[in-house]
Amino acid sequence: AQSVSQHNHHVILSEAASLELGCNYSYGGTVNLFWYVQYPGQHLQLLLKYFSGDPLVKGIKGFEAEFIKSKFSFNLRKPSVQWSDTAEYFCAVANSGYALNFGKGTSLLVTP
Amino acid sequence: EPEVTQTPSHQVTQMGQEVILRCVPISNHLYFYWYRQILGQKVEFLVSFYNNEISEKSEIFDDQFSVERPDGSNFTLKIRSTKLEDSAMYFCASRDDGYQPQHFGDGTRLSIL
Repeated sequence: AQSVSQHNHHVILSEAASLELGCNYSYGGTVNLFWYVQYPGQHLQLLLKYFSGDPLVKGIKGFEAEFIKSKFSFNLRKPSVQWSDTAEYFCAVANSGYALNFGKGTSLLVTP
Repeated sequence: EPEVTQTPSHQVTQMGQEVILRCVPISNHLYFYWYRQILGQKVEFLVSFYNNEISEKSEIFDDQFSVERPDGSNFTLKIRSTKLEDSAMYFCASRDDGYQPQHFGDGTRLSIL
């Protein structure tokens, strides 16, 4: 069965620190990969997506993610986090029907 | 930027009652989805809808659930006889044709008493 694993459930960083959130999936076929963010009190927003092509994808707000097919991974990175990045981050994999299979999420707290 | 809107934001219902959650997808989108998130758990797919019929559904989406697009703008999720375990945040999403991501609404918090 298709599954998505996010390794870090809670992350606390100081402003300007670098961020990497892990995401691994298990699925044998073609995958579409996403990172969504949910700021406190807001809806899920798309950070970035991968459908095909360059495995290094850039998203909004300085985030990027790298698709490594051999490792079944799609880790999210940001070189320097800000207090406003405090949010819940969700990795998701879409099957052929585009139904999203989400990871459990990572709660990021950025301290001043 | 166009948004997916959901109403109500919070619904409190007695166990055994029917509840209808409403969503207005982005106007030119063709695919519609419902997800739910039980407190402390991950977001789970319920159902997808395209061309006025269900295109995919999960094991969660049993006979107690139904979806409908009664007119050109609304997309509803009905739970026929609610159970305590139906308490969750329900998210509606929509997307355009092709390789397009899903856009989510703010969610409806459903509390079953």
